[in-house]
Amino acid sequence: AQTVTQSQPEMSVQEAETVTLSCTYDTSESNYYLFWYKQPPSRQMILVIRQEAYKQQNATENRFSVNFQKAAKSFSLKISDSQLGDTAMYFCAFMKTYSNSGYALNFGKGTSLLVTP
Amino acid sequence: DGGITQSPKYLFRKEGQNVTLSCEQNLNHDAMYWYRQDPGQGLRLIYYSQIVNDFQKGDIAEGYSVSREKKESFPLTVTSAQKNPTAFYLCASSQGALAKNIQYFGAGTRLSVL
Repeated sequence: AQTVTQSQPEMSVQEAETVTLSCTYDTSESNYYLFWYKQPPSRQMILVIRQEAYKQQNATENRFSVNFQKAAKSFSLKISDSQLGDTAMYFCAFMKTYSNSGYALNFGKGTSLLVTP
Repeated sequence: DGGITQSPKYLFRKEGQNVTLSCEQNLNHDAMYWYRQDPGQGLRLIYYSQIVNDFQKGDIAEGYSVSREKKESFPLTVTSAQKNPTAFYLCASSQGALAKNIQYFGAGTRLSVL
């Protein structure tokens, strides 16, 4: 089974501080893609970052970076210099294979992040 | 502006009624998806379509139906067989149904039962 686990239902961080959101996954595939999506109060899903398992280098997008540990099947998201606008639900997702070779996202249950002044 | 449009934003269903949620994209994407989101849950895949006139069941397809007659459109019908339809429904699209392709999402439809 291909599953995604986010063990932190809620987190909070002060503005300008750094926070790390955890994600573990389970798969038997050798190459795959992992994603972090953000869902602010508007409920629009927004891609934060993408990581290809074959690439050893951790993906980075401005203040967002990942710590990808393939052997441990861990994919954590680090947010540096947190801003009030980072307040949102964050979902870790794995691109899952379906029976006819199609792919779709398999999501964790999410971590609710609150950034406080 | 290119994007994915879902309508309506809010929808109410009466007992025994079928309702249809609209999803239109002008990104020229081949693949489209429907997800359901419940409180405290991640998104779960209902149906996906890799190409026009083809679609496949996802993890929770029972009580739902879809069609894909045009590349731009992927409507979802919530049938009376779906006994717990109250949820937030999200439509997404991607350039193709490949593992590497990024999925882009619409703003969602909130469905409630009267």
